[in-house]
Amino acid sequence: DAGITQSPRYKITETGRQVTLMCHQTWSHSYMFWYRQDLGHGLRLIYYSAAADITDKGEVPDGYVVSRSKTENFPLTLESATRSQTSVYFCASSEDNYGYTFGSGTRLTVV
Amino acid sequence: KNQVEQSPQSLIILEGKNCTLQCNYTVSPFSNLRWYKQDTGRGPVSLTIMTFSENTKSNGRYTATLDADTKQSSLHITASQLSDSASYICVVSGEYSSASKIIFGSGTRLSIRP
Repeated sequence: DAGITQSPRYKITETGRQVTLMCHQTWSHSYMFWYRQDLGHGLRLIYYSAAADITDKGEVPDGYVVSRSKTENFPLTLESATRSQTSVYFCASSEDNYGYTFGSGTRLTVV
Repeated sequence: KNQVEQSPQSLIILEGKNCTLQCNYTVSPFSNLRWYKQDTGRGPVSLTIMTFSENTKSNGRYTATLDADTKQSSLHITASQLSDSASYICVVSGEYSSASKIIFGSGTRLSIRP
C-alpha cells in the first residue's frame, strides 16, 4: 500500500533498553522527519533527513539516533531508553519540505 | 524566541454550530502557515497551507485566514459535524528550506456534542 507506515503502533520497554521505531514511505520523498508529541507541547522535531545518508538534529535530539541508508526508510533508535522518552512518536515525509504527510504514530512507554 | 500560541486550549460546541480557532505567532521571517487536523490516535492531516501573500484559504467547511502584519491566523469551521471532533494544530514555518524552523502550536482540542 502506498503511504507512510510506522511500526510498531505500541511499544512498552524497560529503562535502559535499546528500542528502534521504524518508518517506511512508498513515495520516494526526499525529506523524512521524526517528531515526538507530549501533552502540553506541540510536536517537537527530533531528527530530520533531507536525503539518503543526510541527517540533521532537530530541537530535541539527545538520546536518539537515526540513520537513512535507503530513501524509503528512516528508523529512530533510542540507545538507552529513559522514562522521559515515554511519548507518541510521529514520522513524516515530504517531497519539498513544504507539505508534510504524517504516519499514524508509535506510542512508546518506558517503564 | 519563535513561538506559536493557540487559543482556546479546548472548546466544546454543539453539532451544527460554527466556531473559530485562533493562532498567534512570533516566527520571523515568515514563510508559510499550515493548519492540521489530528484525530485521536492518528497523525496530523493537512487542512490548509498559506503563504505570506495569501490571506484566506478554504477547504470545504474549513476556512483559514492569515494576517501577516499582526501575525495572527484563524481557522473557522462552519456547520460543525461530529467528525470535526479532533485537535487542530497551527504550524508556522520560518524559513522555507529548514525543517528546524518549523514550529508547531500545542493545538486546540475541539469536541462536537450532538
